[in-house]
Amino acid sequence: DSGVTQTPKHLITATGQRVTLRCSPRSGDLSVYWYQQSLDQGLQFLIQYYNGEERAKGNILERFSAQQFPDLHSELNLSSLELGDSALYFCASSRASGGSYEQYFGPGTRLTVT
Amino acid sequence: AQSVTQLDSQVPVFEEAPVELRCNYSSSVSVYLFWYVQYPNQGLQLLLKYLSGSTLVKGINGFEAEFNKSQTSFHLRKPSVHISDTAEYFCAVSSAGGTSYGKLTFGQGTILTVHP
Repeated sequence: DSGVTQTPKHLITATGQRVTLRCSPRSGDLSVYWYQQSLDQGLQFLIQYYNGEERAKGNILERFSAQQFPDLHSELNLSSLELGDSALYFCASSRASGGSYEQYFGPGTRLTVT
Repeated sequence: AQSVTQLDSQVPVFEEAPVELRCNYSSSVSVYLFWYVQYPNQGLQLLLKYLSGSTLVKGINGFEAEFNKSQTSFHLRKPSVHISDTAEYFCAVSSAGGTSYGKLTFGQGTILTVHP
């Protein structure tokens, strides 16, 4: 158990819909990262927040957005869903922001768009 | 920009045999290097990391890796594998400094299957 929790574990929804994925980081971790894992794209970095502020953006679509709240939990919002958005979405947290800090990964949310 | 290439998509081995999973990277700046393992239906777990210093790093579960700057490689090794090592392994890099803020760039993964 990494200490990072993600809800829900599974999500099945239809094209065009909007969903929210939730992540609670390890106690004391200020940085949250979101990654997408799909068969064709592999593991890709989406976005990072540090202590409530956006720090870095990766290959995140404009239909996707995220935020980190004062209690440090984070939410990833996916809208106008397409079949190609079906993937495993991971949240990771680290003590601070920077490459030397170990990232602890949650169990992931499996999104299926039908 | 950075990229990671894992040279083998699948590696089958017999139990108690040695194994090497190969990883090459490309980056215009100094990097930190990581190996993660993903068991079925689970998240990623850190096996080991190279930040600086000795180029041979030891991790959990008997794994080790060697950083070779001239060959831009970070191969993962284990002298004797167990059935329980069957999993997918990911090599990853992050920039050492700059504005990357720690985002990881992953390779495509290597599925290690240990046969009895």
